[in-house]
Amino acid sequence: DAGVTQSPTHLIKTRGQQVTLRCSPISGHKSVSWYQQVLGQGPQFIFQYYEKEERGRGNFPDRFSARQFPNYSSELNVNALLLGDSALYLCASSFGGGQPQHFGDGTRLSIL
Amino acid sequence: QKEVEQDPGPLSVPEGAIVSLNCTYSNSAFQYFMWYRQYSRKGPELLMYTYSSGNKEDGRFTAQVDKSSKYISLFIRDSQPSDSATYLCAMFYGSGNTGKLIFGQGTTLQVKP
Repeated sequence: DAGVTQSPTHLIKTRGQQVTLRCSPISGHKSVSWYQQVLGQGPQFIFQYYEKEERGRGNFPDRFSARQFPNYSSELNVNALLLGDSALYLCASSFGGGQPQHFGDGTRLSIL
Repeated sequence: QKEVEQDPGPLSVPEGAIVSLNCTYSNSAFQYFMWYRQYSRKGPELLMYTYSSGNKEDGRFTAQVDKSSKYISLFIRDSQPSDSATYLCAMFYGSGNTGKLIFGQGTTLQVKP
């Protein structure tokens, strides 16, 4: 069975640009969460979506937004990119609630 | 104070050693406890998932949870060079179908042949 897939694997952007990251969850999973991982740190929670509704938002500015589609795939958008947005962006899917979350290999975003 | 504390290491051990990795947490509302392994340039891979105090064993891995002390551990027996990775503890906080994982900083482990 396919795991969580994310695209693209790597992106290079400049300050002020906008980026869209994509995630396809494991088949049957209705919950998708996004995390940001900077080098040397554990992942930080950004958003959770369940059944196409936003269920949680972490301590990130409004430049960060996301959505979930009817097929449960998801997009994360970041506007007005800053150097500090350089990180590995991870998507995780689960059946919901406290069920185990499974991660993709992430999108590595580099801001120049 | 961080909600989840984890010593970043690095931790270096010889092949075959028993490895002990630990995390402490401050929020008694955490309900589920996980250990993930992350190889360089890869996403976290779920190793162990527990929800109650006590031990859970899976092959060479044993996860231990002590809710009264707010302390979790992961033991790796007969460690192998392929176990060299970063190990992340994570706690689930939420209710119903809403929730999030709170991660420790991660411990870097190197197993030397």
